Amino acid sequence: AQKVTQAQTEISVVEKEDVTLDCVYETRDTTYYLFWYKQPPSGELVFLIRRNSFDEQNEISGRYSWNFQKSTSSFNFTITASQVVDSAVYFCALRSHPGHNQGGKLIFGQGTELSVKP
Amino acid sequence: EAQVTQNPRYLITVTGKKLTVTCSQNMNHEYMSWYRQDPGLGLRQIYYSMNVEVTDKGDVPEGYKVSRKEKRNFPLILESPSPNQTSLYFCASTPRGDRGVYEQYFGPGTRLTVT
Repeated sequence: AQKVTQAQTEISVVEKEDVTLDCVYETRDTTYYLFWYKQPPSGELVFLIRRNSFDEQNEISGRYSWNFQKSTSSFNFTITASQVVDSAVYFCALRSHPGHNQGGKLIFGQGTELSVKP
Repeated sequence: EAQVTQNPRYLITVTGKKLTVTCSQNMNHEYMSWYRQDPGLGLRQIYYSMNVEVTDKGDVPEGYKVSRKEKRNFPLILESPSPNQTSLYFCASTPRGDRGVYEQYFGPGTRLTVT
């Protein structure tokens, strides 16, 4: 069975602190894709990043960075120098290889609500 | 502009009154899905469609129907809504996947309240 676990339900930090959001996944597929989405208070889902299972390079995009480790089945997300505008719910998600994926189905974690206080 | 649109964005209705939430995409995507989002549960797939006239159940299909008569449209139908269908609903589309693109494009969401 496929599963994504975001153990942190809520995180509260003060502006300029660094914060890491954890994501652990389970899958038997050898080829899969991992995603992070941001959901601001307005409710829409904003795509942040996609990672292929065969590419373990970490990625940095401005204040955002992602650490993908197949050995521990984790795909953690770090925000450096957090800002109030980073306050949102963040979702980690898993998608199987297209050959057997129920129309591109994403398996979502429960979400982590990040609150950044000024 | 490439997008997925949903209507209505907000809806308050009463138990048993049939309703339809429309979804349309302009990217010629083969795959479309409906998800519902509930606190503590993340998003769960309700139904999906691999192409026109091809639909199947996702993880939580009870109480819902869908149709895919045209490639761009994928309406979600609640024949007899009940309070446990109060939720935030997202429509999504994605290419078939054999072109190296795997992102799901999400609509803006429909917040449904059933009283």
